[in-house]
Amino acid sequence: GDSVTQMEGPVTLSEEAFLTINCTYTATGYPSLFWYVQYPGEGLQLLLKATKADDKGSNKGFEATYRKETTSFHLEKGSVQVSDSAVYFCALTPNSGNTPLVFGKGTRLSVIA
Amino acid sequence: GAVVSQHPSRVICKSGTSVKIECRSLDFQATTMFWYRQFPKKSLMLMATSNEGSKATYEQGVEKDKFLINHASLTLSTLTVTSAHPEDSSFYICSASPQTGAIQYFGAGTRLSVL
Repeated sequence: GDSVTQMEGPVTLSEEAFLTINCTYTATGYPSLFWYVQYPGEGLQLLLKATKADDKGSNKGFEATYRKETTSFHLEKGSVQVSDSAVYFCALTPNSGNTPLVFGKGTRLSVIA
Repeated sequence: GAVVSQHPSRVICKSGTSVKIECRSLDFQATTMFWYRQFPKKSLMLMATSNEGSKATYEQGVEKDKFLINHASLTLSTLTVTSAHPEDSSFYICSASPQTGAIQYFGAGTRLSVL
């Protein structure tokens, strides 16, 4: 079945460092890909998404590009801030219908000043 | 953006009791809501798909008689953990979409601890 694999955490970075969180997926067809973020004590929030190959999702300085050839959707940010500390989830939906998300295990990011 | 409210955020109960968790879409109608469960250091696992006005669709391995789901209106779905046991202790999260194919919005989650 469909699955998402993302790098194990926790990831600890200094402020202004470059961030990469790897995410690869296995799916039939053409899934939509998402990154969700969960700040401490809060629910999941959509960070960015991409619905077809070569699409780039971006938001709040974060970017991820839908790479069908490598089945990847790596999350990047050029300069992290302390406020970016959270758990990041890579996810996919198998098709364009109202279907549930398949999540990766999540990666905890801690940014220190 | 759209808001999904989940209540309570935390509940502690004795073994054998039942616990009801509410999931409300505050500013949109949701014909479909999803219930997930998250174990420590694990991913979110889909438990069931809740459809307004019809029976929920449960994932394999999820006991429908233990996890009762009711989607009575377009803005409310409830998950009742019946006769809870310590192994039911977990983090439960709901999500909802305003329309078919749209982004899912998540509640803040409910941490259930069964003593």
